[in-house]
Amino acid sequence: EAGVAQSPRYKIIEKRQSVAFWCNPISGHATLYWYQQILGQGPKLLIQFQNNGVVDDSQLPKDRFSAERLKGVDSTLKIQPAKLEDSAVYLCASSSGTGAYNEQFFGPGTRLTVL
Amino acid sequence: SQKIEQNSEALNIQEGKTATLTCNYTNYSPAYLQWYRQDPGRGPVFLLLIRENEKEKRKERLKVTFDTTLKQSLFHITASQPADSATYLCALPLYGNNRLAFGKGNQVVVIP
Repeated sequence: EAGVAQSPRYKIIEKRQSVAFWCNPISGHATLYWYQQILGQGPKLLIQFQNNGVVDDSQLPKDRFSAERLKGVDSTLKIQPAKLEDSAVYLCASSSGTGAYNEQFFGPGTRLTVL
Repeated sequence: SQKIEQNSEALNIQEGKTATLTCNYTNYSPAYLQWYRQDPGRGPVFLLLIRENEKEKRKERLKVTFDTTLKQSLFHITASQPADSATYLCALPLYGNNRLAFGKGNQVVVIP
């Protein structure tokens, strides 16, 4: 079974620039999550999708972050414009069920450096 | 506010010994708790889930306990091996079990 795919693996941008990350979840997984993991911290949920609908985006900084999940499969997370404090690893995860008790399968992450 | 605490200091342990990690939480009443493993440059990998009515859960050399009175979970790796070296994260549900909150993680280094 193929795992969660993410690209790019690394990205370096200047502050105020835009960046987009892509995620392909495990086939058949209805729930998709985007997390932000700052160095030395645990992952922090940014947004959760159930199929192509948003379940929870309460921790997404909506003035600069946006995410979509077209057709309930792939998802993109965008930051526009980026700030220095956005430097982190952005993790995508998927699960077969909707509840947080379901095992989440994580991708390798995209390491973003904002200069 | 709700808090999850894991020891920020790395645990260095001799191969073959038992590594024990602690996850404490406050202002929570979680119905379950999860443990994940994270290797450098990789995403977390799910290890175990323990429910509030389960005192102990085992998986191969891993053992997890859940004490809802102490608001604490202990994670044990028995007969530790260098391949067990990683960061271990505990995670608990928030707000009606729809969102997982992760602790900062605790690094384990197994010395051959």
